[in-house]
Formats: sequence, C-alpha cells, structure tokens
Amino acid sequence: EILMTQSPATLSVSPGERATLSCRASQSVNSNLAWYQQKPGQAPRLLIYAASTRATGIPARFSGSGSGTEFTLTISSLQSEDFAVYYCQQYNNWWTFGQGTRVEIK
Amino acid sequence: EVQLLESGGGLVQPGGSLRLSCAASGFTFTSYAMSWVRQGPGKGLEWVSEISSGGSTYYADSVKGRFTISRDNSNNALYLQMNSLRAEDTAVYYCAKGPYSLSYVDFWGQGTLVTVSS
Repeated sequence: EILMTQSPATLSVSPGERATLSCRASQSVNSNLAWYQQKPGQAPRLLIYAASTRATGIPARFSGSGSGTEFTLTISSLQSEDFAVYYCQQYNNWWTFGQGTRVEIK
Repeated sequence: EVQLLESGGGLVQPGGSLRLSCAASGFTFTSYAMSWVRQGPGKGLEWVSEISSGGSTYYADSVKGRFTISRDNSNNALYLQMNSLRAEDTAVYYCAKGPYSLSYVDFWGQGTLVTVSS
C-alpha cells in the first residue's frame, strides 16, 4: 500500500498570504495525484488532478506541482473561503489519501 | 449538472447489515466508474469500493468479504450492501464519480451517515 504523508498538519496563514502544502508518497505515483478541499459539514471538492491540472471552475490562485513522490499545492493569495482542510490522493496504485492539512486563519 | 444523492444511512447494531443507495443524474451514468468513499468522525478520507463502467469491482482490504458494491444502469443507481458491520465502519459514506476506473473523484455526493453501535 502506498502511504501518503501531508505536511504540515495545520497551517496558520493570514488572508492574502501564500500557502504551501506538501504531500509525499512512500513510492512513486508518477503524476497520478489529486488535491481536494473540504469545508466543515461539506463533501470534498476536487481542486487539482494529474498533479497540476486545475479542475473545472477552480480559481487560478490554486496550483499544483510535483511528480514521483513529492507534490505541492500552492494557494497564491488566501481568500476567506479557502480556509478548509486539504487532502491529497494518489491513484497510481489503487487509492490512498493523505491525512489532511488544515489551513486556518492566523 | 451532476448530482449524486445518497440514502440509506442510519443506526445499526454491530454485526448488522445496511444497504446504501446513490441516485445519480446529470451525466451518462453507464459511462463512468462509481465509488464509495467514507470518512470516520473527525477523521480523513478512506476509499471503500469502486465499480467500473463495465462492472468490475474493487474493494479496500478493510471491507473485502463484508461489503458488496453494485450498480443499476437502467435506474442510474449505485448501491453498497454492508454486512457484518463493525464499530469502525461508523462514518459518513460518500458516493463518488470518477472520469475513469481507479482514478480521482470529480464529483461527490453530500454523504450519508452510518453509525454502528449497540
């Protein structure tokens, strides 16, 4: 089983600042990686797939990068609606999710 | 507009059974893989099972032999039959659509809560 490790567990950021979230795979997942956003009481929402492709309707301030075992989700200028939990997911070999990074208001 | 509406959750005793349903609309149901993903209280996401457009099925080790996924293409419906339920199966269960088999999820339902407790 491929393990996905996200860091940090919690990220405190001021509105307008940049947020950088990391996701590491225990073995290569090529570019078969997705990022999701989840707000309290809501279902997750797809942000990024294939490591760097934004899903339909996702603002350009969200960007993904990486391949192999190291991946990054960057939110260039945090808006109030971006404070949420973010999960990465590999789909190269079955599915596994990371444990999530909570982005909170500083 | 893609819509996925889950139903069938509730309180069940350990060892009991429950059947979840997901009504799909807004897309050509027969063409897409469908999955169930769960989230325990205060926990992260866990993939449970997938059924491909062709009917191939896949299960997480934690539910293999206890859960059965199926689909009714004539009624645009997805199901999850859950038997021998355990306390650790307590979670919100999401119906999920993927662009192809064993890929990411591009649409999620709102979820249905399953509580396994005596």
